[in-house]
Amino acid sequence: AQSVAQPEDQVNVAEGNPLTVKCTYSVSGNPYLFWYVQYPNRGLQFLLKYITGDNLVKGSYGFEAEFNKSQTSFHLKKPSALVSDSALYFCAVRASYNTDKLIFGTGTRLQVFP
Amino acid sequence: GAVVSQHPSRVICKSGTSVKIECRSLDFQATTMFWYRQFPKQSLMLMATSNEGSKATYEQGVEKDKFLINHASLTLSTLTVTSAHPEDSSFYICSAIGSPSELEQFFGPGTRLTVL
Repeated sequence: AQSVAQPEDQVNVAEGNPLTVKCTYSVSGNPYLFWYVQYPNRGLQFLLKYITGDNLVKGSYGFEAEFNKSQTSFHLKKPSALVSDSALYFCAVRASYNTDKLIFGTGTRLQVFP
Repeated sequence: GAVVSQHPSRVICKSGTSVKIECRSLDFQATTMFWYRQFPKQSLMLMATSNEGSKATYEQGVEKDKFLINHASLTLSTLTVTSAHPEDSSFYICSAIGSPSELEQFFGPGTRLTVL
């Protein structure tokens, strides 16, 4: 079965520093991977996706993610964190090739300190 | 990007009453809509998948008679929590997909349900 793991419950980073939010996946076949962000009491906002092609995917708000097949990882990154990036981040994988269902990780809370 | 709305954003009701939550795709036609439930500080749990004009597909462990889903048009899906109880209190989020070629889901802002 497809699954994703987010090993960190919380990531703390100072404003202006680079940030990384980790995600590893387990899939059979080619993975369809996604990152979403959730602000308090709000729904999820799409950040980026990897389907095929270039391993480095650029998304919204300056975020990017690198697909690493050998390490089965899809870490979210940003070169310079902003306080406004503080939120809950979810990694997700498509449940199977013939469904639109997503399986979400447990989420990582990013806290950016001024 | 595509916009999905939910109404109401917050509802408080008495135990035993039914509550209807609407999910609308505002600027696109949604072939498929999903309903999730999120407990505090937890991830999203998929409850059901609904396709316009057909019965919803419920995930294992989700009571279909408790959580009624109607996808009456390509822009509207409703979730009705019947005979709500305090344990049904949660944050309910819907999402939608447009054409089959679009792989990302677009999420509504969520509905906070509190059952007294």
